[in-house]
Amino acid sequence: RKEVEQDPGPFNVPEGATVAFNCTYSNSASQSFFWYRQDCRKEPKLLMSVYSSGNEDGRFTAQLNRASQYISLLIRDSKLSDSATYLCVVNINGSARQLTFGSGTQLTVLP
Amino acid sequence: GAVVSQHPSRVICKSGTSVKIECRSLDFQATTMFWYRQFPKKSLMLMATSNEGSKATYEQGVEKDKFLINHASLTLSTLTVTSAHPEDSSFYICSASVLGQGAGYTFGSGTRLTVV
Repeated sequence: RKEVEQDPGPFNVPEGATVAFNCTYSNSASQSFFWYRQDCRKEPKLLMSVYSSGNEDGRFTAQLNRASQYISLLIRDSKLSDSATYLCVVNINGSARQLTFGSGTQLTVLP
Repeated sequence: GAVVSQHPSRVICKSGTSVKIECRSLDFQATTMFWYRQFPKKSLMLMATSNEGSKATYEQGVEKDKFLINHASLTLSTLTVTSAHPEDSSFYICSASVLGQGAGYTFGSGTRLTVV
């Protein structure tokens, strides 16, 4: 089983749609959780951290369920510029500051 | 915000040659940097952790003699792919952790290596 697992997609949605991505992680000792965005042939960029209480940043909402070892990202009112690959990232060993990446979920927002 | 500069962004080299990739933290000191490799449509895989002033820590399956890492200063880490082969063609990305800045993981812009 992969340490961080995501639905690869692709998700093709019309502008204005709401889309949700899911991610599961296998190590219950995981400490920190993030969503990164990666555009084609570019480096990943932090979209948002994920907190236990859930957090929102504009059109983006992230949630964490530690009991189920599950993370989600919700994008509302999607824009063409949201088209990218979204990476679920988990810090399994906090003291080593290492990140484990999911393979990403590809999103294409269509006009 | 914290910036990590990676150079070159793209390199094409012949089989058997060596390629050096540089990763610099521009406005902060990074005692630790991380080197990742990403194959098309795959996730980033950690290759090694680069520690300033000491030997790098390599992940299982990564040949330390092939991927030489030097972290001689608090702002520069280099990855040298020695005797490159076509199967080494990949996207190499470095990152550094910035203390006290939330998630604090900043990535370089990546180096696309093609070995012909």
